Amino acid sequence: QQQVKQSPQSLIVQKGGISIINCAYENTAFDYFPWYQQFPGKGPALLIAIRPDVSEKKEGRFTISFNKSAKQFSLHIMDSQPGDSATYFCAGGTSYGKLTFGQGTILTVHP
Amino acid sequence: GAVVSQHPSWVICKSGTSVKIECRSLDFQATTMFWYRQFPKQSLMLMATSNEGSKATYEQGVEKDKFLINHASLTLSTLTVTSAHPEDSSFYICSARDQVNYGYTFGSGTRLTVV
Repeated sequence: QQQVKQSPQSLIVQKGGISIINCAYENTAFDYFPWYQQFPGKGPALLIAIRPDVSEKKEGRFTISFNKSAKQFSLHIMDSQPGDSATYFCAGGTSYGKLTFGQGTILTVHP
Repeated sequence: GAVVSQHPSWVICKSGTSVKIECRSLDFQATTMFWYRQFPKQSLMLMATSNEGSKATYEQGVEKDKFLINHASLTLSTLTVTSAHPEDSSFYICSARDQVNYGYTFGSGTRLTVV
């Protein structure tokens, strides 16, 4: 019930390409879905987050698509850059609860 | 934006000693803070949730007598690893929830190495 499944485990994209990472959740009580970016030796940094009352949210090159009926959401990184190479985590949470993280995706963007 | 400061960023200690890690919310009040442990190339594993002025809630399998958590003020939570052993070596990360803006902000993490 608490799981968040993330795929793929790793992703290689050419510079300028689109990176797509998918997540699926089970807990229908989740009302907050953030994506975090983590560089080696650093804590996760919030990229973008969405609530289930909207189907899409865009901030710069980052877009979250949300499908409530399928209990799935995804992160799209447009015009991927080498500096985007990092580990990305999706998560699900409730308003006053804890976050449940996906397994993480290691993104490598080749120049 | 919300900032969480975590110290130290790395620490090396001898087996059997204790280590304290601090987590501070710098520009907001955090009634709830979270402590995570992360192994290389793995996801974040929640260890415990701490609420200001009350006892921490530990996740199943986490030894509360080994990982002491104190959340004495709205801006400070501490994690003390007691009688550390090499298997406690890991990356520890704290997170604070901003009650006003409803976001979870993470510290920069602490790399603990027990020798």
